[in-house]
Amino acid sequence: KAGVTQTPRYLIKTRGQQVTLSCSPISGHRSVSWYQQTPGQGLQFLFEYFSETQRNKGNFPGRFSGRQFSNSRSEMNVSTLELGDSALYLCASSLRVTSGTPYEQYFGPGTRLTVT
Amino acid sequence: GIQVEQSPPDLILQEGANSTLRCNFSDSVNNLQWFHQNPWGQLINLFYIPSGTKQNGRLSATTVATERYSLLYISSSQTTDSGVYFCAVSNFGNEKLTFGTGTRLTIIP
Repeated sequence: KAGVTQTPRYLIKTRGQQVTLSCSPISGHRSVSWYQQTPGQGLQFLFEYFSETQRNKGNFPGRFSGRQFSNSRSEMNVSTLELGDSALYLCASSLRVTSGTPYEQYFGPGTRLTVT
Repeated sequence: GIQVEQSPPDLILQEGANSTLRCNFSDSVNNLQWFHQNPWGQLINLFYIPSGTKQNGRLSATTVATERYSLLYISSSQTTDSGVYFCAVSNFGNEKLTFGTGTRLTIIP
């Protein structure tokens, strides 16, 4: 079974631009979560989607948004990029269906975003 | 929110040595995972272990949920074990994973 895939793997953008990252979960997984990893803040949760609905959200500004499609693929968008948005963005998928029932999360290879 | 502390922050060992990595968490959890982050950034699943003990080859893990800690054991270390090891937890009502700051393991040939 193929793992979580993310595209693109590397991206260089300029301050003020916007960017869209894509994530395809493991086949059969309907829950998709996004995380940001920076040297200063470590790994932080951005949001989780299930059945095209955002189910959980971390403490990030509204410039960070996401969506999920009917095939469970997910995209995240960052508008008006800032230098501090330079990070590794990781997507994870799981079999989790209902709140309160945890499932193992599996991560993709990440998208490394550099903002100049 | 829940706090996760990992120790030690850095560990340098000779190939063949054994090591123990610790993860302490501040509240009850219903999910605990150990990951190894490779040099390219990918998080590799090692264990899903909210409680109890599991073993996979040279690696094993134990979580004592009542005392709010988990241990990852690596025996007969190899250079390919180098990298950063993360513990991540989630608790009831808030299923997002909260990560520790990691342990950077360096295995010297």
